[in-house]
This record gives sequence, C-alpha cells and structure tokens, in this order.
Amino acid sequence: EVQLVESGGGLVQPGGSLRLSCAASGFTFSDHYMDWVRQAPGKGPEWVGRIRDKANSYTTEYAASVKGRFTISRDDSKNSLYLQMNSLKAEDTAVYYCTRSSTGWFDWFDPWGQGTLVTVSS
Amino acid sequence: DIQMTQSPSAMSASVGDRVTITCRASQGINNYLDWFQQRPGKVPKRLIYSASTLQSGVPSRFSGSGSGTEFTLTISSLQPEDFATYYCLQHNSYPPTFGQGTKVEIK
Repeated sequence: EVQLVESGGGLVQPGGSLRLSCAASGFTFSDHYMDWVRQAPGKGPEWVGRIRDKANSYTTEYAASVKGRFTISRDDSKNSLYLQMNSLKAEDTAVYYCTRSSTGWFDWFDPWGQGTLVTVSS
Repeated sequence: DIQMTQSPSAMSASVGDRVTITCRASQGINNYLDWFQQRPGKVPKRLIYSASTLQSGVPSRFSGSGSGTEFTLTISSLQPEDFATYYCLQHNSYPPTFGQGTKVEIK
C-alpha cells in the first residue's frame, strides 16, 4: 500500500523557519516526482512546488508565492521528501500535503499524505 | 497562470440525483484535467484523470468529459457518501492550478 506521512508542522512566528518531512513507503520513491500542495483553512488546494527524479537532475519548480523562500529536497536513500520553509508569513498558514506524481504529464497528485498543519502567528 | 473556474460554487441535491459540475480553463489544457473529491476533514482524493479516465477503485457513477477549455464531472446517481467538495486541477503547464471548488450539500 502506498503511504505518505508528513511531519514537522507546528506554530511558528512570522519570519521564522520550519522544515517539513514526508516519509514514503509502498512504492519505488526514486522513480517518482514529488510535490507539496497546501490548503489554507476553508480554501482550496494550492500547489507549492515539485522535485523531479535523479534522471531529471532533481530539478525543482515552485509557485511564485513561495519562490525564494521555500526549498524542496529529497533523499532517495531514505525514501523521504522535505520542504524547508524560511521567512514565513501569516499567509503560509495551511495544511501541507506531500503527494506523488509520475515522471510524465498524465499522472499527477495521487495519492496525498494526511497532511501537517503549519500555523504562522505571533 | 491558467485560471480554472468551476460552476456552481455550491449546490444542494438529493440522494439519487444526477449532478453535473463544470470546470472552465482560461486557455486550452490538452485534457490534462483531473477531478478530486474532498470529504469534510479528509484528504483530497483523485477521482478522474486525463479528463475522462476513472481512477481505479472509484465507483462508475462518476464520469468525466470535455476537451480544450470546458470539462464536466458527472455523478449519475448521488449517494450519501458523495456529499463533499469537488475540485478540478489543470496540469498542462506550470503552475498547476485548482478550481475554487464546488460544494455538494444535502437538500
């Protein structure tokens, strides 16, 4: 069974940093692109960013709203995905989900982890 | 960025009703259009990908259609477990963007 388990969320002050992790199991992690998607309270999902696989040089893409502040990385030896979040703002408050995608254009965002809540507040 | 507009934003329906939700893209998206269901307090779950392909394990009362810029999710006979919010997603180009959601409530 494919499983994605996020951790690392919590309460952080504006301007602070937080690192989220996602532990993957049940599939060949290294063969997949991985994405972070967030959902603010009462809002729809918003894509945060992507990291590609080794064959594609682990290149990344980011939403404009987080570019320059967030960094996505992965450790294939640990089947783990990470999201380093710096210079956090109140508007970054959301549940953060990791999700799996194929290396092509057809198969995106399936499945999702259970999410981890990040609250940015003083 | 490609804008995805869903209609309606909310609707009331009864068990057994046929329900149709529309998603319009601000430009053509080559059928890279998925539908997700999110029950209250739960994680989004993919129902349909590539506009019309049913995700494994999803009941056949769900179907997707459309092409170009206009797409439709249809639930042929609404069941109690289908009361949820539905989102469309385009992934034809970066950034991938979701619709604002359609909340299906019990009449």
